[in-house]
Amino acid sequence: DTEVTQTPKHLVMGMTNKKSLKCEQHMGHRAMYWYKQKAKKPPELMFVYSYEKLSINESVPSRFSPECPNSSLLNLHLHALQPEDSALYLCASSRTALATRNTIYFGEGSWLTVV
Amino acid sequence: TQLLEQSPQFLSIQEGENLTVYCNSSSVFSSLQWYRQEPGEGPVLLVTVVTGGEVKKLKRLTFQFGDARKDSSLHITAAQTGDTGLYLCAGVPLGAGSYQLTFGKGTKLSVIP
Repeated sequence: DTEVTQTPKHLVMGMTNKKSLKCEQHMGHRAMYWYKQKAKKPPELMFVYSYEKLSINESVPSRFSPECPNSSLLNLHLHALQPEDSALYLCASSRTALATRNTIYFGEGSWLTVV
Repeated sequence: TQLLEQSPQFLSIQEGENLTVYCNSSSVFSSLQWYRQEPGEGPVLLVTVVTGGEVKKLKRLTFQFGDARKDSSLHITAAQTGDTGLYLCAGVPLGAGSYQLTFGKGTKLSVIP
């Protein structure tokens, strides 16, 4: 079972709203990732969690706040977003964040529209 | 500078034709992954190649990793309309941390009935 599940699949929020994206995997993976993908572009890395600790923050604005409550769950809290933040947000996981021959598995994505 | 160059960027072919998509770099990669993505969906992993010269087959799809591990190709035989999608190659450069999964810009394939 190589499944990463994301909810919600679609989200529309206003610029003053607070919402969260959720991600779950039960593959025993200890590295989890958030990527952002704009139309016709490849995914761009936002955050990396390794063993439930934030390892990488790719200079993401503070209006995006990640959280890893346990080894299976990853959240992305959203607050005061801008219309240009509208994108497909992808969660991914891999066995570890160390081995360069690791394979990264993606969820189906959460399509976010900021109005 | 794009670390992974994919070509062609767009490809439109008739059903039943064969095609090849290329993923090239001047850097050595410890492994390369190929994904297929449909609009509004997440990338779905097709294959990971790790050994230079490796060839992997997935039904009508054949993946090859270059001997020097700097390039890879995806060949589709007798394309079907269900093969339509965005094909992405991605990998971690040798010596980099696995955080740094680099993507090519993708090849958008349309298979016309």
